[in-house]
Amino acid sequence: QLQLQESGPGLVKPSETLSLTCVVSGASITSSGYCWAWIRLPPGKGLEWIGTICYSGNIYSVGSTFYNPSLKSRVTIFVDASKNQLSLQLSSVTAADMALYYCARRTDGTSEFGYWGQGALVTVSS
Amino acid sequence: QSALTQPRSVSGSPGQSVTISCTGTNSDVGGYNYVSWFQHHPGKAPKLMIYDVNKRPSGVPERFSGSKSGNTASLTISGLQTEDEADYYCCSYAGSYTHWLFGGGTKLTVL
Repeated sequence: QLQLQESGPGLVKPSETLSLTCVVSGASITSSGYCWAWIRLPPGKGLEWIGTICYSGNIYSVGSTFYNPSLKSRVTIFVDASKNQLSLQLSSVTAADMALYYCARRTDGTSEFGYWGQGALVTVSS
Repeated sequence: QSALTQPRSVSGSPGQSVTISCTGTNSDVGGYNYVSWFQHHPGKAPKLMIYDVNKRPSGVPERFSGSKSGNTASLTISGLQTEDEADYYCCSYAGSYTHWLFGGGTKLTVL
């Protein structure tokens, strides 16, 4: 059974970098044909896609990253295959970045975001 | 690009049917058959209910169905049950620049 679990500091100061991790169990994070996404839910607003890393089966298992254009200059998504872990870094945070942050898996070539973590709440405050 | 447009709230009585709309443009909903719907109970992980417009993941009741016409996708829930009360979000692929757009969410109340 695939499980995803987000973790990270619940409180980040304005202008600093938010760092979250998502531990994946039950499947290899570099398995071909899947994409791993970060999605957030700000209070009182709708879901927002942050970015994705996809593995399409090349023999080097190198992921391809895609970012929300509105966040691209501040976002980095990467994988630590040895820990089977997905990570998110968002720099120069402001109050607008306060949200519940989710990691999710999508089957490549579809809109099947079939597995989600429980979410990690991030507050931005000095 | 702006988020997809959903009604803020819908309601229905147990046993009735409700439809939640999700309106986009021909650059997202209308341009691709990659629309999904999620059910979200606060404090829990979002749950995929429909993907690729009208496909139902295993375990999702047949009461949930999806469709699309032009730039508007719809989620229909028939035979409403009290446990269907939740927030529902649509999502669409929006091309190789924007990638994925979500709707603002619809609160379903089962009266």
